[in-house]
Amino acid sequence: DAEITQSPRHKITETGRQVTLACHQTWNHNNMFWYRQDLGHGLRLIHYSYGVQDTNKGEVSDGYSVSRSNTEDLPLTLESAASSQTSVYFCASSELRGTGDTQYFGPGTRLTVL
Amino acid sequence: AQSVAQPEDQVNVAEGNPLTVKCTYSVSGNPYLFWYVQYPNRGLQFLLKYITGDNLVKGSYGFEAEFNKSQTSFHLKKPSALVSDSALYFCAVRDMNYGGSQGNLIFGKGTKLSVKP
Repeated sequence: DAEITQSPRHKITETGRQVTLACHQTWNHNNMFWYRQDLGHGLRLIHYSYGVQDTNKGEVSDGYSVSRSNTEDLPLTLESAASSQTSVYFCASSELRGTGDTQYFGPGTRLTVL
Repeated sequence: AQSVAQPEDQVNVAEGNPLTVKCTYSVSGNPYLFWYVQYPNRGLQFLLKYITGDNLVKGSYGFEAEFNKSQTSFHLKKPSALVSDSALYFCAVRDMNYGGSQGNLIFGKGTKLSVKP
């Protein structure tokens, strides 16, 4: 079955370190998204991509970057981790269909920055 | 600015009773609305969506939602709650500012549903 996976599921790192969170989908979806989930804020968009070599900033993109070298993967990099980036991170993907398109979510990565 | 609000942080329901989780939205143009559910330590699962057509939308696990344009609401409902329905529920609206028709979702802050036996 097609799926979307994230790794690692849990990560503890130190302030200032570079961290990369992986997202891999086998849906063959063109669109991929990264969100962070924080108590009291719901989910907020970090970055998104509509296809290979395409990346775009979302609402809370500062301190994060992404790259899209193939259809299946959209890794999220924290250039220099900060305590404010402690959060749960979700990757999602959707097929290119338009406004009614449904996003499918991965299981999440819980990141703690000490 | 587009937004979605879930006015209740928590909803408590007895098993077998009907449940309602509220959502209101603010958009310019036609709204594209979604409900997702999140079980503990899991990702979000799609429940249902409203794009156009009938105001009553049926989704997974016996859930349905009623779109009300005049009240700008999209409340999630279920006629008879189960203990297994206990989870975090998110309402979302398509964000036409980020990504337009292909784009991203704006999520409410979530409502925790607790169903007691």
